[in-house]
Amino acid sequence: ETGVTQSPTHLIKTRGQQVTLRCSSQSGHNTVSWYQQALGQGPQFIFQYYREEENGRGNFPPRFSGLQFPNYSSELNVNALELDDSALYLCASTTTRTGAYGYTFGSGTRLTVV
Amino acid sequence: QKEVEQDPGPLSVPEGAIVSLNCTYSNSAFQYFMWYRQYSRKGPELLMYTYSSGNKEDGRFTAQVDKSSKYISLFIRDSQPSDSATYLCATGGADGLTFGKGTHLIIQP
Repeated sequence: ETGVTQSPTHLIKTRGQQVTLRCSSQSGHNTVSWYQQALGQGPQFIFQYYREEENGRGNFPPRFSGLQFPNYSSELNVNALELDDSALYLCASTTTRTGAYGYTFGSGTRLTVV
Repeated sequence: QKEVEQDPGPLSVPEGAIVSLNCTYSNSAFQYFMWYRQYSRKGPELLMYTYSSGNKEDGRFTAQVDKSSKYISLFIRDSQPSDSATYLCATGGADGLTFGKGTHLIIQP
């Protein structure tokens, strides 16, 4: 069973609204990253945090932001939601800064923007 | 050109067959190579990870990396209906993972 839990599992928001998605990683997993997975596509890297500091970002606009907390939890915030933001949002964590030993993923939050 | 190319399938094979799944990547800076399995409505599950060129075996699964040709493979021996899922290859370094589109695999009983 995965050690990464995400909440909520499903969410419906209206275009223009703001949303916060949450993730709880395994103890000792200092690196957390977030991905967006559209239907029929592979996950796309949004950003990554190592010990509460952002250390990598994919090709996503600034309205996608995040935080990582000392208790191995993190959140993804998306402002000014657009219809194209509808996707499965995945949180992944690992023990190393480089992710050399693979990331453990949560089951995701399915966001629908109407 | 996408950084990681993967045939989306679907790939349908009979139970017991050997399955070969493949990806190519373009960025020679990628250091780590992984295969994930994703069931419907679930998050990706890590199957294999490798750092350098060569083979790595775990049970019925063998991962192969050829960095000279930028080619990644996953072989599944004695395939089972429970192996039916989407298989994602992923590469990366310290700045997150780049995934292929995923191959939808169907094992027919």
